Amino acid sequence: AQSVAQPEDQVNVAEGNPLTVKCTYSVSGNPYLFWYVQYPNRGLQFLLKYITGDNLVKGSYGFEAEFNKSQTSFHLKKPSALVSDSALYFCAVRDIFPSGTYKYIFGTGTRLKVLA
Amino acid sequence: DSGVTQTPKHLITATGQRVTLRCSPRSGDLSVYWYQQSLDQGLQFLIQYYNGEERAKGNILERFSAQQFPDLHSELNLSSLELGDSALYFCASSVEEGNPSTDTQYFGPGTRLTVL
Repeated sequence: AQSVAQPEDQVNVAEGNPLTVKCTYSVSGNPYLFWYVQYPNRGLQFLLKYITGDNLVKGSYGFEAEFNKSQTSFHLKKPSALVSDSALYFCAVRDIFPSGTYKYIFGTGTRLKVLA
Repeated sequence: DSGVTQTPKHLITATGQRVTLRCSPRSGDLSVYWYQQSLDQGLQFLIQYYNGEERAKGNILERFSAQQFPDLHSELNLSSLELGDSALYFCASSVEEGNPSTDTQYFGPGTRLTVL
């Protein structure tokens, strides 16, 4: 079965520094990988996804993610963190239910705190 | 704005009561997913509907039920409410048809349910 893991519950980074939020995956076949961000008391917002092609995927708000097949990782990155990036980040992988419809499997989330 | 709408935004009720949460998917999306997020917890998948039919069930209690109507909006019914049902309930939608590389799940803003 497909799965993702987010090994860090929380990541702290100083404003202006680069940030990385880690995600590793376990899939059979080609991975369809996603990153979402959740601000307090808000729904999850789609940031970016990897389907195929270029290993560096660019997304919203200056975020990008690097797909690494050999390390089975899909880490979220940003060159320069902003205090406003402080939020809960979820990695997800798309699988298929027995019924044939798509199933989205989410990691446990990583809380990013950007310190001024 | 993801295009997924949920009402109400907040709901406060008493134990033993029944409530209905409503979700309208993005225009053109056929698939609706319901998730529960308890305080500082990850997302728990509850149930999925596709074009009016139930397609997958997750960790949904027997006291909970859902349906998707011909106009594709969905309702999640929670009955015999308990204190532990207090959570954020999210609806998400996706197209589920066409090119799989384009299918992405988009989330509504959520309904915060408080059971007193």
